[in-house]
Amino acid sequence: EAQVTQNPRYLITVTGKKLTVTCSQNMNHEYMSWYRQDPGLGLRQIYYSMNVEVTDKGDVPEGYKVSRKEKRNFPLILESPSPNQTSLYFCASSPYLVDPYNEQFFGPGTRLTVL
Amino acid sequence: AQSVAQPEDQVNVAEGNPLTVKCTYSVSGNPYLFWYVQYPNRGLQFLLKYITGDNLVKGSYGFEAEFNKSQTSFHLKKPSALVSDSALYFCAVSPPRGGGNKLTFGTGTQLKVEL
Repeated sequence: EAQVTQNPRYLITVTGKKLTVTCSQNMNHEYMSWYRQDPGLGLRQIYYSMNVEVTDKGDVPEGYKVSRKEKRNFPLILESPSPNQTSLYFCASSPYLVDPYNEQFFGPGTRLTVL
Repeated sequence: AQSVAQPEDQVNVAEGNPLTVKCTYSVSGNPYLFWYVQYPNRGLQFLLKYITGDNLVKGSYGFEAEFNKSQTSFHLKKPSALVSDSALYFCAVSPPRGGGNKLTFGTGTQLKVEL
């Protein structure tokens, strides 16, 4: 089944404790992206990647890191999480090179709480 | 900078009645526009997109959207609403080809369809 998977789905952590949220897609998509969803703010893009080893900042990159060493994986790293990073996070992917404006496929989301 | 506005936080409609969810955008040049739907505890799912051509775009589940360049709008419509349409709807915009790779979402509109 074609899908985007994220792990973990739920995470409660404490301020300053480094964490990684994994994202993997099995559709051979070039484009991958991370978003956070907050009430009243909709989805805001954190980082995106056009292909392996190519990443760029979205609208709210502060406090986050990403890497794209393999085409299928795009982990989101919080080096020192803070309470304002408590949010619902979504990973998404799309086939870019065929048509750069293809729809994106979203993962199920990761609900992160930072105490 | 590009932006999307969804002026209504919530839209209530009776089952069987037509529904409209409003979206206006701001972007330089000809935009690429999308609608996504989010059901409870799920990731976003693609509904439809406007790239070029006919201003009336048809999508999944009987939804359609009308692109109006003069009013910079891309309202989502359905002739007859179902209770199962109740969900959170997001409008999104990409800049025209060559203008970057960022997808900007609106804040979302909660659609509630009642019997």
